[in-house]
Amino acid sequence: DTGVSQDPRHKITKRGQNVTFRCDPISEHNRLYWYRQTLGQGPEFLTYFQNEAQLEKSRLLSDRFSAERPKGSFSTLEIQRTEQGDSAMYLCASSLMRGETQYFGPGTRLLVL
Amino acid sequence: SQELEQSPQSLIVQEGKNLTINCTSSKTLYGLYWYKQKYGEGLIFLMMLQKGGEEKSHEKITAKLDEKKQQSSLHITASQPSHAGIYLCGADHMNRDDKIIFGKGTRLHILP
Repeated sequence: DTGVSQDPRHKITKRGQNVTFRCDPISEHNRLYWYRQTLGQGPEFLTYFQNEAQLEKSRLLSDRFSAERPKGSFSTLEIQRTEQGDSAMYLCASSLMRGETQYFGPGTRLLVL
Repeated sequence: SQELEQSPQSLIVQEGKNLTINCTSSKTLYGLYWYKQKYGEGLIFLMMLQKGGEEKSHEKITAKLDEKKQQSSLHITASQPSHAGIYLCGADHMNRDDKIIFGKGTRLHILP
């Protein structure tokens, strides 16, 4: 399977703990995006990378959130000091270049207790 | 997002019936995406439309973009249980890079 993959698929954590999610984009895709989706809503943009450069961050991405794509391939999204409001589905997508189709991974569902 | 409105919010149809989902943007569209999502899973790409009047089809699903009205419609012919899920439209607005602004989705249920 050569689609976008995400790990883990599910994560349950206690409030105050740190969590890290991984996304592996489709090979050769230069752009990688992170979105967050809460129940009953469409996905909301968080941030995106062009190769290893993080080009834009949403206002939704507080100081507790950090994303990296160190070698321009896989990306990680870390949430520090998790809060119950962080509970959501975190989706990763990749595209070949600007304006091209964004293909999504299966998502990581986070539950903060 | 209020920038992108989908209707209806939910839809229940008898298997074999046709249905239409609408998506209206409050801003100029550079591109319009349609995705399908099974509950609790990721998004499956269906179609992307960029030109006014453009129409694309995939199996029994057809999507059309009316650029003048900043609207798109998704039409399913002879619906099947496999069509059930959440349909999301997403907008790529000009001058806002290529992040996608999504609507809230339309929840489609198919009755056997």
